[in-house]
Amino acid sequence: QKEVEQDPGPLSVPEGAIVSLNCTYSNSAFQYFMWYRQYSRKGPELLMYTYSSGNKEDGRFTAQVDKSSKYISLFIRDSQPSDSATYLCAMSKYGNKLVFGAGTILRVKS
Amino acid sequence: GAVVSQHPSRVICKSGTSVKIECRSLDFQATTMFWYRQFPKKSLMLMATSNEGSKATYEQGVEKDKFLINHASLTLSTLTVTSAHPEDSSFYICSALAGGPFSSGANVLTFGAGSRLTVL
Repeated sequence: QKEVEQDPGPLSVPEGAIVSLNCTYSNSAFQYFMWYRQYSRKGPELLMYTYSSGNKEDGRFTAQVDKSSKYISLFIRDSQPSDSATYLCAMSKYGNKLVFGAGTILRVKS
Repeated sequence: GAVVSQHPSRVICKSGTSVKIECRSLDFQATTMFWYRQFPKKSLMLMATSNEGSKATYEQGVEKDKFLINHASLTLSTLTVTSAHPEDSSFYICSALAGGPFSSGANVLTFGAGSRLTVL
């Protein structure tokens, strides 16, 4: 079993839709949870960062962490074609050595 | 914000040659840098942790003699792929961490843009 599971997609949605991206994990020691966006042939760019359980909102993006279920989510409201990218969840015990999910390819169609 | 520069962005080499990839933190000092490898449509796999002034720590299954890492200063880490072969072709990405590895709170990793290596 992988430490972090993420559906690779692709996930196709129309412009303006609400997107829900998810990851599950098996290591209960993870405390830091991140979402990265990666465009083709580029390095990952940090979108959201959360410590422990709870919600965090930043503009159109909302990150949720449910440690009891070992489940994290990223919601994107009013999705735009420019949101089309691969979204990687990542997590760690101490905030440095990250374990990544496989990444979900998102396509937002105009 | 923090910026990590990676060079070259793309390199093509012949089998048997060595290739060096540089990772620089441009506006902060990075005591720790991480090197990842990413295959097409796959996630990032951590190869090694590079600490300034000490030997790198390699993940299980990564050949330290194959992938030489040098972190000689607080702003530069290099990855050298020695005697490269076609199976070493991949996207290599570095990331840098400001401050100590166990600082309280989050030390957010900043990633470079990646280096695509193609070995013919």
